[in-house]
This record gives sequence, C-alpha cells and structure tokens, in this order.
Amino acid sequence: EVQLVESGGGCLVQPGGSLRLSCAASGFTFSSYWMSWVRQAPGKGLQWVAKIKDDGTEKSYVGSVKGRFTISRDNAKNSVYLEMNGLRAEDTAVYYCVRDYRWAFDYWGQGTLVTVSS
Amino acid sequence: QSALTQPASVSGSPGQSITISCTGTSSDVGKYNYVSWYQQHPGKGPKLVIYEVIKRPSGVSNRFSGSKSGNTASLTISGLRAEDEADYYCCSDAGSGIYFFGTGTEVTVL
Repeated sequence: EVQLVESGGGCLVQPGGSLRLSCAASGFTFSSYWMSWVRQAPGKGLQWVAKIKDDGTEKSYVGSVKGRFTISRDNAKNSVYLEMNGLRAEDTAVYYCVRDYRWAFDYWGQGTLVTVSS
Repeated sequence: QSALTQPASVSGSPGQSITISCTGTSSDVGKYNYVSWYQQHPGKGPKLVIYEVIKRPSGVSNRFSGSKSGNTASLTISGLRAEDEADYYCCSDAGSGIYFFGTGTEVTVL
C-alpha cells in the first residue's frame, strides 16, 4: 500500500522564519518517481508548489516561492523534503506531499499544517 | 502565473449528468494533453479521478469522464450520486516543469 506521511508542520512560525517539512514514502519504488508538494490555504484551493525528479537532478517551483523554498530528496531514506525560508503569512496552508504519475498526482499524504503569523 | 478558471459551483439532481469546465490558455490546457481532475471531500485530501485528459485511474467509477476542446477541459459526472458531492479541481501542465490548478468547483447534489 502506498503511503506518504508528512511531518514538520503543526507549529506557529513567525514571518521571516524557516521550517523544514519531511515526507516519508513507503509501498512503492520511491527512486522511480518524481515527487511534488502541493498546498492548500485554509478555505482556499489547491496550489502546486514544487517538484523534484526521481534522481533529484531536476527541480521546479511556482513563482511565488522561488528563491525561498527548496525541494530535495534522499532516495536511501525514501524521503522528500521542503525547506522553507523567509516565510510569509500567505504561505499559511496545509502542505501535501504527492507522488507524480504521468503529469498528475496519484497519491497524496494526509497533509501537514504550516501557520505563519506573529 | 495564474490559476485555471472553473465555475464556483455546479449542482444537479441524483441520476443527472453534470459537466465542470476548466479554462486555461494556449500555453497550458490548450498546449498539453496533461489535464487531471481531483475530487476533495470536506476535511479530506484530494483524490485523482482523471489524468491525461481522458484516462481514469484504477478504481475510479466510469461515471467520471474527461474531455478537452481548445483551451477548455471538462469533467462530466454521469448518474450523479450523493457521494459525488465534493469540491473538484482541474490541473494542467504548463510547461517548464510547472503546474496550474483550477479555482475549484463545489458540486452539490440536490
């Protein structure tokens, strides 16, 4: 069974602060799949944030997080990460770890809430 | 960079068919056959129901179907059921490794 379990959220972060989200994957050959992070602000729609190639050599980001967020992965640990710096109030959202499949997202984690507020 | 446009809400009676539109541009929906659709029930994570415009993942009801014409993609739910009441989002590859989601549509079963 495919499982994606996020961690690292759940606490209040001040504007300008940093946070690192982690996602532990199991139930599939992790090193064969691109992975993404997708977020959803409270009461709002979905927004794709970043993705990383199966071997970690290619990365892409939505414009609003470029230069502030970094996606990475460790295939030996079946994990993907999202390093978030310079956090803003508008980054407040539930962050989902998702598996990329044929330019879609076929498995989603349960999400982890990031709250940015003073 | 902006979200794809969906109607805010669509409703239908049980057994009817409804269609949700997703309008993008010639740089995303119109250019790539990489449109996907997601169903999200309140308090839950999204679920993939359509990928590559018309394909259904294993286990998804054949009452869900997708199509595309020009810069607009569509999701049709036939034989509407109470369990279909949820939010629906489209998503498209926009080139250069990025994706755009739609604004979301709330489906109500009357």
